[in-house]
Amino acid sequence: EVQLVESGGGLVQPGESLRLSCAASGFNVGSNYLSWVRQTPGKGLEWVSIIHSDGSTYYADPVKGRFTISRDNSKNTMYLQMKGLRTEDTAMYFCAKDSPSEGVEYWGQGTLVTVSS
Amino acid sequence: QLELTQSPSASASLGASVKLTCTLSSGHSHYAIAWHQQQPEKGPRLLMKVFNDGSLRKGDGIPDRFSGSSSGAERYLTISSLQSEDEADYYCHTWVSGIRVFGGGTKLTVL
Repeated sequence: EVQLVESGGGLVQPGESLRLSCAASGFNVGSNYLSWVRQTPGKGLEWVSIIHSDGSTYYADPVKGRFTISRDNSKNTMYLQMKGLRTEDTAMYFCAKDSPSEGVEYWGQGTLVTVSS
Repeated sequence: QLELTQSPSASASLGASVKLTCTLSSGHSHYAIAWHQQQPEKGPRLLMKVFNDGSLRKGDGIPDRFSGSSSGAERYLTISSLQSEDEADYYCHTWVSGIRVFGGGTKLTVL
């Protein structure tokens, strides 16, 4: 059974950093695509970043240069390093198991990031 | 620019059927999409994938009340025999290479 558990969210001030984790079970992170998707309170879903099975990474324009996606195959865990956080980054962050030909397939329950002074 | 357009809201009565629409942007009418459901205070879940040839692939444990179809640049989600737990937000989603796109979502109210 595929399971995804996010952690690492919290309250930070603008300009600070935070690292989110996504612990996976039921599949190997190293041989799959994984995405981060966020949802601003009361709003829709916004794709943030993806890491492919070959290690290539892609980012949405609002986070390029500030966020870094990575994974640790030995821990079967994906990460999102967020730097230079802004108030508009406040959102629930979901990790998702993805597929090269069929998009997002499984979701975690999310971890809340609040950026406020 | 790859974009998905959804109506912000829809409503239908308990036990009735409802058809939600997702429209692909110009030049992308051949893309497959997926429908995801997000119930209040929960994470999303995959309902099904709808391919441009009309074929479907459902997510784990999705009941037969949920079906999908396709016509041109439009992709549809039909929910029959509406139940109270179907009141949720429904998002369409598409993908290409390193990009993932979500529609703005449709909030379904079951009357």
